[in-house]
Amino acid sequence: QSVLTQPPSVSGAPGQRVTISCTGSSSNIGAGYDVHWYRQLPGTAPKLLIYGNNNRPSGVPDRFSGSKSGTSASLAITGLQAEDEADYYCQSYDSSLSGYVFGTGTKVTVL
Amino acid sequence: EVQLVESGGGLIHPEGSLRLSCAASAFTVSSNYMSWVRQAPGKGLEWVSIIYSDASTYYADSVKGRFTISRDISKNTLYLHMNSLRAEDTAVYYCAREAEGGGYFDYWGQGTLVTVSS
Repeated sequence: QSVLTQPPSVSGAPGQRVTISCTGSSSNIGAGYDVHWYRQLPGTAPKLLIYGNNNRPSGVPDRFSGSKSGTSASLAITGLQAEDEADYYCQSYDSSLSGYVFGTGTKVTVL
Repeated sequence: EVQLVESGGGLIHPEGSLRLSCAASAFTVSSNYMSWVRQAPGKGLEWVSIIYSDASTYYADSVKGRFTISRDISKNTLYLHMNSLRAEDTAVYYCAREAEGGGYFDYWGQGTLVTVSS
């Protein structure tokens, strides 16, 4: 069971901005642990999108950005494109579980 | 180029055992933090286990006592030994490398499907 909560789905028209929230607690995000984001296309492995709250790996366009505040984090996608349709997951560390935790996942649909 | 290739998945009866392998290339498994992450059909990602460079290991509560993570230095391969399998263990299992202790996974394998069913 996931301890990080995300909305099941978000949608937007091409060119619009969408945000995905990731809500945790005092034992994970609120404890100061970094939040990371992954994108997963159907039938493929997850791919790192954002690390350390707001850093983009090489090759990830600057349309993707991350932020963190308190016990929550957010992923923003600006200039939404058809190829952004995918499932998105946040991830952090939980001290009470002594392990990593993922968000429940959000499906992004481009209208 | 860093690559992770899983193998060993398949159909197994409840209470059975299975060993998954993850062969790594272009980096040394024993010098890195390596995890297994699984994804049940149509569900989200679930972290399963980690082995640190000092060989210490940790497990999710859902598999503790039933799964064992290990590595073979000579083969540069990560393993997941799974015992007392249950229907709820049915999932695609991914191995993943943690980026320099940064708490995130920079490389993932393609996954191997484990189906637990009678």
